[in-house]
Amino acid sequence: GAGVSQSPSNKVTEKGKDVELRCDPISGHTALYWYRQSLGQGLEFLIYFQGNSAPDKSGLPSDRFSAERTGGSVSTLTIQRTQQEDSAVYLCASSLGARGHTDTQYFGPGTRLTVL
Amino acid sequence: SQQGEEDPQALSIQEGENATMNCSYKTSINNLQWYRQNSGRGLVHLILIRSNEREKHSGRLRVTLDTSKKSSSLLITASRAADTASYFCATDAIGGSRLTFGEGTQLTVNP
Repeated sequence: GAGVSQSPSNKVTEKGKDVELRCDPISGHTALYWYRQSLGQGLEFLIYFQGNSAPDKSGLPSDRFSAERTGGSVSTLTIQRTQQEDSAVYLCASSLGARGHTDTQYFGPGTRLTVL
Repeated sequence: SQQGEEDPQALSIQEGENATMNCSYKTSINNLQWYRQNSGRGLVHLILIRSNEREKHSGRLRVTLDTSKKSSSLLITASRAADTASYFCATDAIGGSRLTFGEGTQLTVNP
């Protein structure tokens, strides 16, 4: 079956512009995660959606970042007024969600964001 | 510092040799997972070891967990050039709200 997909795969934008990154999780997965990875670094947690529960937004670095998940499926990560330090690969992952954070996470290919 | 920290940061070996990567963490965990990442893109789950397990095998992978030392190791036997990737451990801490990933070990297997 289809895995996690993300779009666009690459995004180049100018400082100050808004960007939207999309994630399509695996069908039936109730949990969805967004991470950020700077070059050569580990994964930085951003936000976590689980079913209809309120999302865990504790990893969002500033109020310029927001995310939503419509209909319990597709998620959009929005970065407003982008800054050069926002340049990174943004990774989305989904999991069954039945066993919380024990579940294997399935990652998308990521969106490489470059802010000029 | 990070919940999960891998060492070494980088490892370069010849094909056929074994590669060992280590992960240390700070708080008690429910389980620890290892993931692989090629070329800075999506991660792929390799193996999960629960806190009550000491060793687990999957193909050429062997994972050990020592909860008394709060450490885990990933051994790749008979390495191949295709094993070249970054390897991350991720911990599910007791009472935690998410998986925490380490900084990763960059493994290079030279043909």
